[in-house]
Amino acid sequence: NAGVTQTPKFQVLKTGQSMTLQCAQDMNHEYMSWYRQDPGMGLRLIHYSVGAGITDQGEVPNGYNVSRSTTEDFPLRLLSAAPSQTSVYFCASSYSYNSYGYTFGSGTRLTVV
Amino acid sequence: GENVEQHPSTLSVQEGDSAVIKCTYSDSASNYFPWYKQELGKRPQLIIDIRSNVGEKKDQRIAVTLNKTAKHFSLHITETQPEDSAVYFCAVTESGGGADGLTFGKGTHLIIQP
Repeated sequence: NAGVTQTPKFQVLKTGQSMTLQCAQDMNHEYMSWYRQDPGMGLRLIHYSVGAGITDQGEVPNGYNVSRSTTEDFPLRLLSAAPSQTSVYFCASSYSYNSYGYTFGSGTRLTVV
Repeated sequence: GENVEQHPSTLSVQEGDSAVIKCTYSDSASNYFPWYKQELGKRPQLIIDIRSNVGEKKDQRIAVTLNKTAKHFSLHITETQPEDSAVYFCAVTESGGGADGLTFGKGTHLIIQP
């Protein structure tokens, strides 16, 4: 098992550019979610999904889109990058109801200039 | 929505002493309370968790206690070692069994002094 795989590990974007952060898991987890981590702010939930075809917004969803066409993949799209989106992004996944342990990917460090 | 307060933001202890980090939460429906350890440049790693029907859980040198009435839970690390130096995050899930992701505290930087 590779666990939760995030690509790329590092990315620099110019303001206004769009891009997709990839997240894939091979553990057949139903639940997946995206977080951003900023200094002194902890991790904040962007979007989450309880299964293929179902997504919902978290605490800080503005400027981001997600889709969940398969159980394995949960990409995060930045529509028009802004400097305020400079952050480290983590994807996480978990089994459903009876097992709450979330496994995190290794993260994507994004800089918007 | 859920609000999680974590204290202290920085904690410095002598090697071998104990460390305690406390979190309070606002949503009485929250039912799962994990703790994550994050080393510099690494991903958060689950170190211990507790569910709402349990008051205390231990795993070797670490333990978590939960007071649902007061809506707070704490991480206890005994006999601290240099490798315990890291940032620790508490988290909670709102009702729904974890489906709607985790709400995190802002973290505690634990420094173990030799």
